[in-house]
Amino acid sequence: QSVLTQPPSVSGAPGQRVTISCTGSSSNIGAGYDVHWYQQLPGTGPKLLIYGNNNRPSGVPDRISGSKSGTSASLAITGLQAEDEADYYCQSYDSSLSGSYVFGTGTKVTVL
Amino acid sequence: QVQLVQSGAEVRKPGASVKVSCRASGYTFTSYYMHWVRQAPGQGLEWMGIINLSGGGTNYAQKIQGRVTMTRDTSTSTVYMELSSLRSEDTAVYYCTREGVGSYGLDVWGQGTTVTVSS
Repeated sequence: QSVLTQPPSVSGAPGQRVTISCTGSSSNIGAGYDVHWYQQLPGTGPKLLIYGNNNRPSGVPDRISGSKSGTSASLAITGLQAEDEADYYCQSYDSSLSGSYVFGTGTKVTVL
Repeated sequence: QVQLVQSGAEVRKPGASVKVSCRASGYTFTSYYMHWVRQAPGQGLEWMGIINLSGGGTNYAQKIQGRVTMTRDTSTSTVYMELSSLRSEDTAVYYCTREGVGSYGLDVWGQGTTVTVSS
């Protein structure tokens, strides 16, 4: 059972903005540990999308952004495109689990 | 280019063991950590553990502690993950993925290895 909770699904029309929340606790996000985000397209492996809460690796468009506040983090996708239809996972570190890395429950983004 | 290439699909019976390899290329092997992450069919990502490629130290997820062993061979830039006492619930795609020093996330992933546990 994951300690980082995400909504199972979000959807939006092309061009719209969607946000995905990642809710943790005082032993992970709230303790100051960074949050990273991954995109998993259908049938493929995960790809790093955001690192260190709000940094984009080379090649990730600036319409994708991340933020963190308190015990939660968020991923925002503006100008939604068909190619954004995928599963998205947040990831952090948890000090209460003998030093474990943890993933969020995952969110399916559907482009209407 | 930076690449992680994993071994091929495996089929095992319950109670058996499996060893998956992950060969790194295109970067300084010992300057990074390697994680193993698995994904059961239709499920999310599950962190399994981490190995320090310089010193060999490991940390495993509590759920599989005692059944998993991660090792590395610096001469061939290869990391191994062995899982024993396999159960049907261990059926999943297993990924190796790299982490650098500092908060840069898991930036390079292997192609995944499917492990099927079935009698």
